[in-house]
Amino acid sequence: ETGVTQSPTHLIKTRGQQVTLRCSSQSGHNTVSWYQQALGQGPQFIFQYYREEENGRGNFPPRFSGLQFPNYSSELNVNALELDDSALYLCASSFSRRGAMDTQYFGPGTRLTVL
Amino acid sequence: QKEVEQNSGPLSVPEGAIASLNCTYSDRVSQSFFWYRQYSGKSPELIMSIYSNGDKEDGRFTAQLNKASQYVSLLIRDSQPSDSATYLCAVNNPNTGNQFYFGTGTSLTVIP
Repeated sequence: ETGVTQSPTHLIKTRGQQVTLRCSSQSGHNTVSWYQQALGQGPQFIFQYYREEENGRGNFPPRFSGLQFPNYSSELNVNALELDDSALYLCASSFSRRGAMDTQYFGPGTRLTVL
Repeated sequence: QKEVEQNSGPLSVPEGAIASLNCTYSDRVSQSFFWYRQYSGKSPELIMSIYSNGDKEDGRFTAQLNKASQYVSLLIRDSQPSDSATYLCAVNNPNTGNQFYFGTGTSLTVIP
């Protein structure tokens, strides 16, 4: 196990609703990245948080937003849910220094289903 | 052009054989390369990282990197049925905010 935890493990929402997913990073890590993995695809980078600030963002709309807290845990918020948001959401924890990021370790993921 | 490309497979090998998984990447400035294994319904788990040209061995796994050809591979020796999974290649590009780019993964089945 990596020491990265995510909650909840499964979630069912309807279109238009909002959702918050949570991630606790591995001890000693200061960077959290979020990914969306659709069925049969590789993980797609959503954004990364380093020292409580967004440090890079993939090609996702503004309704995907996040936070990082002083203890380096993180939240992913998605507003106005769409059917295509149904996916496995992965949080990855790593240690970064001077702009260089070390290996990422993944949490177990949150399976989101939008009906 | 995708940042990272892998053959989706499926790749089938008999138990005890060598499985060879390949990955190409498009951006020459990429510096760090990773192989993850993902079992169905689970999250990716790190197998190996490689940063320099050449081979890196860890047990039954060998990662090979050729930056000139923009190519990274993973060899699995003495393949076991428990190696049956999807293998994801990931590339770190420091010019895009340390974003990790993943391939779509190669599905490997080891036949007993």
